Amino acid sequence: AQKITQTQPGMFVQEKEAVTLDCTYDTSDQSYGLFWYKQPSSGEMIFLIYQGSYDEQNATEGRYSLNFQKARKSANLVISASQLGDSAMYFCAMREFGGTSGSRLTFGEGTQLTVNP
Amino acid sequence: KAGVTQTPRYLIKTRGQQVTLSCSPISGHRSVSWYQQTPGQGLQFLFEYFSETQRNKGNFPGRFSGRQFSNSRSEMNVSTLELGDSALYLCASSSGVGLKGYTFGSGTRLTVV
Repeated sequence: AQKITQTQPGMFVQEKEAVTLDCTYDTSDQSYGLFWYKQPSSGEMIFLIYQGSYDEQNATEGRYSLNFQKARKSANLVISASQLGDSAMYFCAMREFGGTSGSRLTFGEGTQLTVNP
Repeated sequence: KAGVTQTPRYLIKTRGQQVTLSCSPISGHRSVSWYQQTPGQGLQFLFEYFSETQRNKGNFPGRFSGRQFSNSRSEMNVSTLELGDSALYLCASSSGVGLKGYTFGSGTRLTVV
């Protein structure tokens, strides 16, 4: 069964600094996708970035980049130039393609990020 | 392009009652998935509907059910509510093809008293 592990329950960063949120995953599938979502206190899950298992380049979306190390099964999120509005819960998730899991997302436990002024 | 719309946003129900939650996906999206989020269990997959058929199901009791209509709107029903059903219920919409492209709604926060 697939599993996502986020080992940092909480992280603190100073405004304008960069921060890395860790994510490791476990799957036996060759084809899968990795996602990062941001969840502010309002509850909505906001898509940040996606990395496919066959993508050769690390994904980037504005201030977000994904440090994908396939052999180590890690997909860390890097947020550059942190802003106060980045304070939120961050979830790493994986979607496997096919198999008994179908098209569900499996989420990690989340990391609560606090950006200090 | 309108986003994913979930109604209602907040709901308070009494133990033993039943509840129906609604999700309208992004126009053109044929897949709707439901997730339950609680402080203790985190985010857990409930089920996925694609073109009116349940395509995938999580490990939840039969009290949790759903359906999808021809316009892709989906409803989720929970019967005989228990205190432990108190949670944020999130709906995700996707085209249903390929690996990318889940968009979540703002969720329905259900409180069972």
